This record gives sequence, C-alpha cells and structure tokens, in this order.
Amino acid sequence: NAGVTQTPKFRVLKTGQSMTLLCAQDMNHEYMYWYRQDPGMGLRLIHYSVGEGTTAKGEVPDGYNVSRLKKQNFLLGLESAAPSQTSVYFCASSPGDRVAYNEQFFGPGTRLTVL
Amino acid sequence: KNEVEQSPQNLTAQEGEFITINCSYSVGISALHWLQQHPGGGIVSLFMLSSGKKKHGRLIATINIQEKHSSLHITASHPRDSAVYICAVRWGTNFGNEKLTFGTGTRLTIIP
Repeated sequence: NAGVTQTPKFRVLKTGQSMTLLCAQDMNHEYMYWYRQDPGMGLRLIHYSVGEGTTAKGEVPDGYNVSRLKKQNFLLGLESAAPSQTSVYFCASSPGDRVAYNEQFFGPGTRLTVL
Repeated sequence: KNEVEQSPQNLTAQEGEFITINCSYSVGISALHWLQQHPGGGIVSLFMLSSGKKKHGRLIATINIQEKHSSLHITASHPRDSAVYICAVRWGTNFGNEKLTFGTGTRLTIIP
C-alpha cells in the first residue's frame, strides 16, 4: 500500500496563476484533510472532508477550494495564487469510523513557492 | 482560544541522554497525538493517547488529564532520533470530530 501520496512534490507559481494539488489515499479512509505548515507555526487546517462528496472549512480556508469527488482523492485548488500562500502543504487521512479516536496518516508534503 | 504549547522549542543533547519534551494545552481534550517530522519533511504518528502512558521501543508518552500536560520521553537517545516532535490535540469528546490543533514543534538534535 502506498498510504497517502501527494502530487506534485514541488511547484513554483507566479502571482495570479492557478494550480491544483492532488492527494490520494489507498486505505479506504473516510476523512481527509489539507494542512499548511509555515515557519514558526503549527500545522493549520485549510479544509477537510468527512466523506465522498463532502467538504468543510478549516482554520485558514481563504484563497483555497477543495473537492472530494472520489473517496480516495482530495484536491486542493488555488484559483489565484498569492505570495502569502508560499508554504508546505500536507494532506492527511484518517479512518473516521466514529467509534474511536483515530490517528491521522500524512502524505509527504508539497512545497509551493509563489513569486 | 484553545492553545497547545510545547517546550522546549529547541533541544540539543548528547547521544545516550534521556530526553523529555513537554506539551501543555488550555482546555479539556479527548485525545493527544505525538508526531515526528523527519528532516526530509515527512510526518509520522508516534502515539495517540487519552490517558495514562504508552511505550513503543525507546519512546514513552504520558498524559496527565488533570494538569492538562503530556510528555514525550526518549531513552538512550540516538542521532537518528533527530527530528521535530509535534504535539497535537483533539478538543471535545465527539468521535466524529477529528480536527486537530497542533503545537509548533520541538526540534531535537542528538550529537554523536
């Protein structure tokens, strides 16, 4: 099993460009998350999904959109990139079985630079 | 505001030393996670606990619910333990709520 994978690993954008980050998991997990990690700050939740076809806003959702059309995939979109979105982005998933507290499994991260 | 604080921010020790990293949080939680972020950036879950103590190899995690405090201990530290250790908490008791709040991490460097 590959676990949680993210593409691309690195990307450089110019201000105003758009892009989509793809997260895929092969563990049949219900819940998926997108985080950003910035120097001196803890991981912050951007958006999350509790099942196929559902999405919800996290702590820092502005400037991002997400979609979960298939259970195994969770896409993060930047419609008009800004330098403030320069960050390392992590995707994670968890079983979401609602009968126990579950750990989250993280992808390897995507390093995004917006010039 | 619900907060998670870790100490120390940075820790350098000699190989073989006993390491303690601390995590404090502001209000009641349902679960606390300890994560390890490797120098290459990958994040792995080490422990998830809601009470007591867990041990895995040379790593031990404890939590004191009354004092709102958790510690991560590493015995017989080794240079390969060098990483950032992150504490994260889940607020509330709803099993359906799996959102986490993360601390800023403790950067551990073990010198041979």
